[in-house]
Amino acid sequence: TQLLEQSPQFLSIQEGENLTVYCNSSSVFSSLQWYRQEPGEGPVLLVTVVTGGEVKKLKRLTFQFGDARKDSSLHITAAQTGDTGLYLCAQGVPLNYGGSQGNLIFGKGTKLSVKP
Amino acid sequence: ETGVTQSPTHLIKTRGQQVTLRCSSQSGHNTVSWYQQALGQGPQFIFQYYREEENGRGNFPPRFSGLQFPNYSSELNVNALELDDSALYLCASSTGPRGGSPLHFGNGTRLTVT
Repeated sequence: TQLLEQSPQFLSIQEGENLTVYCNSSSVFSSLQWYRQEPGEGPVLLVTVVTGGEVKKLKRLTFQFGDARKDSSLHITAAQTGDTGLYLCAQGVPLNYGGSQGNLIFGKGTKLSVKP
Repeated sequence: ETGVTQSPTHLIKTRGQQVTLRCSSQSGHNTVSWYQQALGQGPQFIFQYYREEENGRGNFPPRFSGLQFPNYSSELNVNALELDDSALYLCASSTGPRGGSPLHFGNGTRLTVT
């Protein structure tokens, strides 16, 4: 079973600072998804990266997929208190009827706290 | 559009008891996946139901079982509860196991086993 390692495990920063969190695996990803989970809620999909070297931007969030498709990073510029949450990376694994939508292997996440 | 709803939101049970958790999938979604999220961990895949059949299962014992109904809602049943079963149980729906829509998660059921 492929393991996804996320770092750092915890991150506490002041509003306005920049940060980067990482997701790594010893195996190649077919694709990778990033989720944010706020306290008391389920994870919400932020982005899916598919192509090695791909960069995707979502407002102040920049997602990179490594050239070898074994690592990914999420960079947040000028963090806001609303960015507080658990950031999870995940990869899909095929199931009986084919397709991998639904069987996701998650990392343990990076718990981000942005203080005012 | 109604999102994924789960009930109950919180539940306290005693070791050895049985529990049923419920999930209503998002409108138009025919696939439901269940996850267990222990404190400080990422979600772990339990199983997926597609068109009322189990479409795959994670590394969970047989006392974890499920159902999907014709309206695509789903239940997760856990027998002989153990202390380690205390976790947030998440349900997610999608339009099918082969891509289509991304997973839409509910807000979970927090189960405490004492």
